[in-house]
Amino acid sequence: AQKVTQAQTEISVVEKEDVTLDCVYETRDTTYYLFWYKQPPSGELVFLIRRNSFDEQNEISGRYSWNFQKSTSSFNFTITASQVVDSAVYFCALSPLNAGGTSYGKLTFGQGTILTVHP
Amino acid sequence: DAGVIQSPRHEVTEMGQEVTLRCKPISGHDYLFWYRQTMMRGLELLIYFNNNVPIDDSGMPEDRFSAKMPNASFSTLKIQPSEPRDSAVYFCASSFGGPYSNQPQHFGDGTRLSIL
Repeated sequence: AQKVTQAQTEISVVEKEDVTLDCVYETRDTTYYLFWYKQPPSGELVFLIRRNSFDEQNEISGRYSWNFQKSTSSFNFTITASQVVDSAVYFCALSPLNAGGTSYGKLTFGQGTILTVHP
Repeated sequence: DAGVIQSPRHEVTEMGQEVTLRCKPISGHDYLFWYRQTMMRGLELLIYFNNNVPIDDSGMPEDRFSAKMPNASFSTLKIQPSEPRDSAVYFCASSFGGPYSNQPQHFGDGTRLSIL
C-alpha cells in the first residue's frame, strides 16, 4: 500500500515570504513517480511537477523549487517570494512505476495543504 | 461555458443498495477522471478515460465499483452493493490532457455519498 502525508493542513504567510510545503510518502515500490498539483480557488487541478524516484536532483522552476530526498522519503515544495496568486490547495501525489517505465494510473494524493498568501 | 456537472450532489442510502453517480464533462475535453476523497485517505484517483476508453482503473478499490463512459458527454460510476466504507465525496474531472500533462483538470462540485 502507498501513502502520502502532508502534515501541514493550513499555512498562512504574508506576500514575499518564502514558504515550504512538506510531503512525506510511503511505498513498497522501488520505482515510482512523485507529483505536486495545485488547486486554486476556482477548483481546477493543475499539474506542477513529476519526479522519477531514481532522479534525486532538485528542481527549480521560477519561484518554485522541489527537494526530493529518498533517504527520508520526502518531496518538499518551496515557493520563494510568495504572491497572493499562489493561494491554493497544494497536493503531493505518488504513483508506482512499472518495469516498462510508464506509470500506472493509481495516483495516491496527500490530504492537501491550504496555502493562504496575504497581501 | 458550463463546467463539469455531477449528479446527484448528495446521496444517502442503505448498505447493499446500488448507487450510481453521474458526470457530464466539459464539452471538447478528451480525458475524464473519477476521484474519491475521504478524511482518512485523502484524494484518490479511481479511474480515468481517454476518448471514452478506460485507460487505467488500477485505483478502483474492488469489483463492487464500475465505471462507464458510453459517449463523450456522459460517464457513470456505479457501486453495487454499497458498503458504509464507501462513504466519501466522489469527484469527476475532465481535461484536454492526461493526468501527467500540464493541462488543468476541471473538477465538478462532487457527490457526497453516505452509506448507512
